[in-house]
Amino acid sequence: DQQVKQNSPSLSVQEGRISILNCDYTNSMFDYFLWYKKYPAEGPTFLISISSIKDKNEDGRFTVFLNKSAKHLSLHIVPSQPGDSAVYFCAAKLSGNTPLVFGKGTRLSVIA
Amino acid sequence: GAVVSQHPSRVICKSGTSVKIECRSLDFQATTMFWYRQFPKKSLMLMATSNEGSKATYEQGVEKDKFLINHASLTLSTLTVTSAHPEDSSFYICSPTGGQGEVQGYTFGSGTRLTVV
Repeated sequence: DQQVKQNSPSLSVQEGRISILNCDYTNSMFDYFLWYKKYPAEGPTFLISISSIKDKNEDGRFTVFLNKSAKHLSLHIVPSQPGDSAVYFCAAKLSGNTPLVFGKGTRLSVIA
Repeated sequence: GAVVSQHPSRVICKSGTSVKIECRSLDFQATTMFWYRQFPKKSLMLMATSNEGSKATYEQGVEKDKFLINHASLTLSTLTVTSAHPEDSSFYICSPTGGQGEVQGYTFGSGTRLTVV
């Protein structure tokens, strides 16, 4: 029973264009949502997060949108760069000092 | 930002032996430690949660006698894989937290690739 789902295992985008990575969740009690970037044999690196009381958070080229009614969030990267190529994990957590629940990840390839 | 050191980065061991993985929070006090593992092309799955000075809480399906967790100090936690078997081969990642806030995101160690032969 996966509480966080990333239905696209891979995504290929041309350099300079927008990358949109999607994530769905089932637990309406999740309080915070986070996106991580990961390379093979390395730990995840935090990118951006959003509180459940907001619908958008922006940080440079990265914007996360949250649609609570649809239990859906997305990460937009614009403009995409070849260095963005990695696996992106969506994660969610309950309030307090609680662990993250991860999706299966989406492999993003940005083609020059 | 929070700095986490995890060692070793990779280890190969024989079946039946034990392996210890260390995770240190270098610039903050980790009151809680999360241990995850990731199988190839799979998601990161929580194995256990430990609070400093307390016994760890294990997720369903994770054997507490096989995966020994020690969190005796606010800067160091260890995960020992005892009597390792090939099916324990995986990527193990620690995530210490001192309640530094969701806004900054939880920090993760660099991971340990365990191969049991």
